Amino acid sequence: QSVLTQPPSASGTPGQGVTISCSGSNSNIGGNTVNWYQYLPGAAPKLVIKSDYQRPSGVPGRFSGSRSGTSASLAISGLQAEDEADYYCAVYDDSLRAVLFGGGTKLTVL
Amino acid sequence: QVTLRESGPALVKPTQTLTLTCSFSGFSLSSSGVSVSWIRQPPGKALEWLARIDWDGDFYYKTSLKTRLSIPKDTSKNQVVLTMTNMDPVDTATYYCARGQSTGWGFDYWGQGSLVIVSS
Repeated sequence: QSVLTQPPSASGTPGQGVTISCSGSNSNIGGNTVNWYQYLPGAAPKLVIKSDYQRPSGVPGRFSGSRSGTSASLAISGLQAEDEADYYCAVYDDSLRAVLFGGGTKLTVL
Repeated sequence: QVTLRESGPALVKPTQTLTLTCSFSGFSLSSSGVSVSWIRQPPGKALEWLARIDWDGDFYYKTSLKTRLSIPKDTSKNQVVLTMTNMDPVDTATYYCARGQSTGWGFDYWGQGSLVIVSS
C-alpha cells in the first residue's frame, strides 16, 4: 500500500474532463512539489506535470495540476482516446528521504 | 534528443547480484545539475524509486535497500550502473533508469525499462 493515495480508476467520455487526486502527508505533499507521470504499458513513463502545475514542453494544455495542503490533483480537460493510460503522482518525502510514487490511477476513456 | 536505455539479464537466481546498465545520450552526467535515477515496478504494483547519482558524484539510496545497492557512473561512456546484491523473488520487476530534472526530484526522461525475473 502506497504512502500516496490515488483512486485506482477514473473514467470519462471523449471531450469530458476528469480529475485524479493524490493524497499524502506533511512530510511529502505538504512540503514538496508534486510531479505527474503518464504510463502506457510497454512505453517509457512520460512526465506530464512538473512542480505541481507546470507543463513540460510538448504536453497539451488540457493537462493541468494543482496542490493544496497535503493533496494534489491532475486534471485533464477535453479527454481524448490517447489519454487512456495509467497516471502516477510522485513527490519527495522528507522523512523517508526518498521519492514516493502513488499507487497509480487507470484512466479509461469510454 | 535525450534517450536512455536499460540493459542487463532478464533472469537472475535468488542470492545472485543483479547488474543493470543505463546507457544514455543527449546529455552529459558531468554537467552541473544532471542526475540519473533507477526506479522499478514490480508486476501489478506501484513504482518504487531506488537510487540516484548526481553529476558531482553525490548519491542517494532508498533507505531500506541501501545495504544492497550501488550506483556507479562512467561519465566517459555515458553510462550508469545499478548493482543489487542478494536478489530475491520479490525483486522481480521492470527496472527503469530516468534522468532527473535540473532541480528537485522529478524525472523528465525515462528508458523503456528492463524486466528482471528472480527465480531459481
